[in-house]
Amino acid sequence: ETGVTQTPRHLVMGMTNKKSLKCEQHLGHNAMYWYKQSAKKPLELMFVYSLEERVENNSVPSRFSPECPNSSHLFLHLHTLQPEDSALYLCASSQSGEIAYNEQFFGPGTRLTVL
Amino acid sequence: AQSVTQLDSHVSVSEGTPVLLRCNYSSSYSPSLFWYVQHPNKGLQLLLKYTSAATLVKGINGFEAEFKKSETSFHLTKPSAHMSDAAEYFCVVSELYTGFQKLVFGTGTRLLVSP
Repeated sequence: ETGVTQTPRHLVMGMTNKKSLKCEQHLGHNAMYWYKQSAKKPLELMFVYSLEERVENNSVPSRFSPECPNSSHLFLHLHTLQPEDSALYLCASSQSGEIAYNEQFFGPGTRLTVL
Repeated sequence: AQSVTQLDSHVSVSEGTPVLLRCNYSSSYSPSLFWYVQHPNKGLQLLLKYTSAATLVKGINGFEAEFKKSETSFHLTKPSAHMSDAAEYFCVVSELYTGFQKLVFGTGTRLLVSP
């Protein structure tokens, strides 16, 4: 276990649904990240939070809405998704978001299927 | 911008034989480089990282990688493959983007290990 947990592990939703993905880190880290992993594509960074403030929004559509209520929790709120949004969504954390050589610790991911 | 190229999408080896997974990077300055492994239905786990100290980096589970600046390479090796090494491996370069860490992932190499 990496100390980063994600729920749910699997999610199936229709295009009109609203759902949320949850991530929790037990490592005392100050930075948290959302990534999207699609088949045959490199992992894509979606959002970065440092000390609970969003510092990066990597041109992600507004149907994805992140929330970081404290340094241990990160949410990704989903609404009116498209089938092409089906992917594995990975959460990660690191001690500081301002150091290039820090390791990021990843959760197991949420496998999302949009019908 | 930095980039990573993993030269092989699949590598097949027999158990007990050496493993070589190739990675080339593009960077305008001294990079931080990582290898992560992803087992089926699991998150990513750090194998090893290079941060401008020793050019030969040793990681977990007997893996090591050598940073070669002249060749812009960071190939991953293991002397003897084990069945449990079957997984997907990602070469990653880390950069500071707008002051915060951004991981740039390669497309991955799937390692298949046969008995």
